[in-house]
Amino acid sequence: NAGVTQTPKFRVLKTGQSMTLLCAQDMNHEYMYWYRQDPGMGLRLIHYSVGEGTTAKGEVPDGYNVSRLKKQNFLLGLESAAPSQTSVYFCASRKQGANTGELFFGEGSRLTVL
Amino acid sequence: AQSVTQLGSHVSVSEGALVLLRCNYSSSVPPYLFWYVQYPNQGLQLLLKYTTGATLVKGINGFEAEFKKSETSFHLTKPSAHMSDAAEYFCAVSLMMDSSYKLIFGSGTRLLVRP
Repeated sequence: NAGVTQTPKFRVLKTGQSMTLLCAQDMNHEYMYWYRQDPGMGLRLIHYSVGEGTTAKGEVPDGYNVSRLKKQNFLLGLESAAPSQTSVYFCASRKQGANTGELFFGEGSRLTVL
Repeated sequence: AQSVTQLGSHVSVSEGALVLLRCNYSSSVPPYLFWYVQYPNQGLQLLLKYTTGATLVKGINGFEAEFKKSETSFHLTKPSAHMSDAAEYFCAVSLMMDSSYKLIFGSGTRLLVRP
């Protein structure tokens, strides 16, 4: 059981380039989330999805777009990367009935923007 | 608004010593509270959680935390630190937003264990 899988695990971009991070979960979870982790700031929510075909903004959505075309996949896109988007990105998911908010995390994707 | 404050970005203890990681929250309603652990180059995994009922919660690897409503705290403890406990620990509170729960994380505390 793979759980939550993120690809790629590492990426280096130049300013202005675009890229997409893929998150896949095999637990049939309805809810999926993208966080970014920066030193001293914990995890901040970028976007989230409560089901296939739906997305919503989190705390820090600017500069990012997301799509949830299939229940098991949640894509995070950077249209024009900026150095401020250098971070470690984590995808997470949870089951709809787990109303306490417990999340299952991927191993992270480290992005560097030069 | 709900928020989470972790006191101390780094905590250093000797192997075998007590571990105490502090977490305070602000919430206008009874919260759901969590501790997550992150080992190097890995994602976060759930250590323990408080939802309702008993205020002393036991988690994996010998950790426990006590919900104290009067102090708005949820400190994480372990009686005897092991080298393998070295990791970053995040406290989180569950927030209802747009009809679904979101986790709001503290800034994290890195635990160092000295031999």
